[in-house]
Amino acid sequence: DAGVIQSPRHEVTEMGQEVTLRCKPISGHNSLFWYRQTMMRGLELLIYFNNNVPIDDSGMPEDRFSAKMPNASFSTLKIQPSEPRDSAVYFCASSLRSGTSGEQFFGPGTRLTVL
Amino acid sequence: AQTVTQSQPEMSVQEAETVTLSCTYDTSESDYYLFWYKQPPSRQMILVIRQEAYKQQNATENRFSVNFQKAAKSFSLKISDSQLGDAAMYFCAYRRTGQLTFGSGTQLTVLP
Repeated sequence: DAGVIQSPRHEVTEMGQEVTLRCKPISGHNSLFWYRQTMMRGLELLIYFNNNVPIDDSGMPEDRFSAKMPNASFSTLKIQPSEPRDSAVYFCASSLRSGTSGEQFFGPGTRLTVL
Repeated sequence: AQTVTQSQPEMSVQEAETVTLSCTYDTSESDYYLFWYKQPPSRQMILVIRQEAYKQQNATENRFSVNFQKAAKSFSLKISDSQLGDAAMYFCAYRRTGQLTFGSGTQLTVLP
């Protein structure tokens, strides 16, 4: 299995531009998670989906952030407009099920820099 | 809300020696999972070991083992026979349902 795939691996953009991060979970996994990692706040959950349905988006910073999962094999995280404080590493993770025993497998992350 | 605390921002160990990383957590739940993840400079998050709260026996994975003290809400990671490849940031994490809640991490340096 290829594992969780994220693209792009690196993104540099200017303030005010739209940014779209992409994730392909492991085939057969029905839970998908978006995390953000910063020096100040560490690793924090942004949103997660079960069976393509958003379950908890309380970690989404503000209306500039949106996430979609149109099918079981693809998810996007969009930031519009982007700001310098959005600079971070964004991880996507997937698991077989959302219960406590489901191990989460992480993608390689997308390093976002907003100038 | 659940919180996870790692009080050691940095640790170092001599190659082939043993090191223990500390983690405490706060929860009112009785059924949950605890994890240790490793993040090397490549930034890939790698699962090292996990512990089910209902199991009294401490989990082990080769050179990695945990000391799980449920009443004290403590979950430490012991790395035996440390190797240079063990150098990384280590995160303790809690999961009840849904997302993982992470600690702030411990940067482990392995000295040759």
